[in-house]
Amino acid sequence: GESVGLHLPTLSVQEGDNSIINCAYSNSASDYFIWYKQESGKGPQFIIDIRSNMDKRQGQRVTVLLNKTVKHLSLQIAATQPGDSAVYFCAENRDGGYQKVTFGTGTKLQVIP
Amino acid sequence: NAGVTQTPKFQVLKTGQSMTLQCAQDMNHEYMSWYRQDPGMGLRLIHYSVGAGITDQGEVPNGYNVSRSTTEDFPLRLLSAAPSQTSVYFCASSAQQPGEKLFFGSGTQLSVL
Repeated sequence: GESVGLHLPTLSVQEGDNSIINCAYSNSASDYFIWYKQESGKGPQFIIDIRSNMDKRQGQRVTVLLNKTVKHLSLQIAATQPGDSAVYFCAENRDGGYQKVTFGTGTKLQVIP
Repeated sequence: NAGVTQTPKFQVLKTGQSMTLQCAQDMNHEYMSWYRQDPGMGLRLIHYSVGAGITDQGEVPNGYNVSRSTTEDFPLRLLSAAPSQTSVYFCASSAQQPGEKLFFGSGTQLSVL
């Protein structure tokens, strides 16, 4: 899961396996969640989003699961590829608006060829 | 379609110097924002704009100014650089609600000596 410490948690996954990256969000009033991917030296890139009226949303090779009871968000990546190696972080948003967006610190995904 | 373009990519300043980080987007997005990214912390909002001529402060606005004279451009000005402003800066835009589904630039790595 994500951490506010100086060292990012790292997830090492064999190429072709599925990856699961977790995020514990802080505000029970948050109603919109996003996953971003950030490759080294680049800006964050939108992956997938989900609103609080949903439990699951699927994209291309990615699935986001939302458990509001325990305030937990996860990102599943199917058939992980070397190009998936990056830092992944979640963001939560409450009632819309920039001021109410909180970004996590991220999890580093390392894909082992 | 270039998306969000930031310049420069790298910059070194001396304490007390001023400079402007440039940001331009070609997606006709209404909403634009500036963030700083520091080790061990999530992205933090500096300033944002919900349209041309409209700007507001984010979480960490001190020492920075912005203006939004056109939809496309949203420059960030450092008034008198301090070592505490050493960071990586990202500009982002979005077409939806402010703070949702952000498109980020590639970042400016700033060092203040």
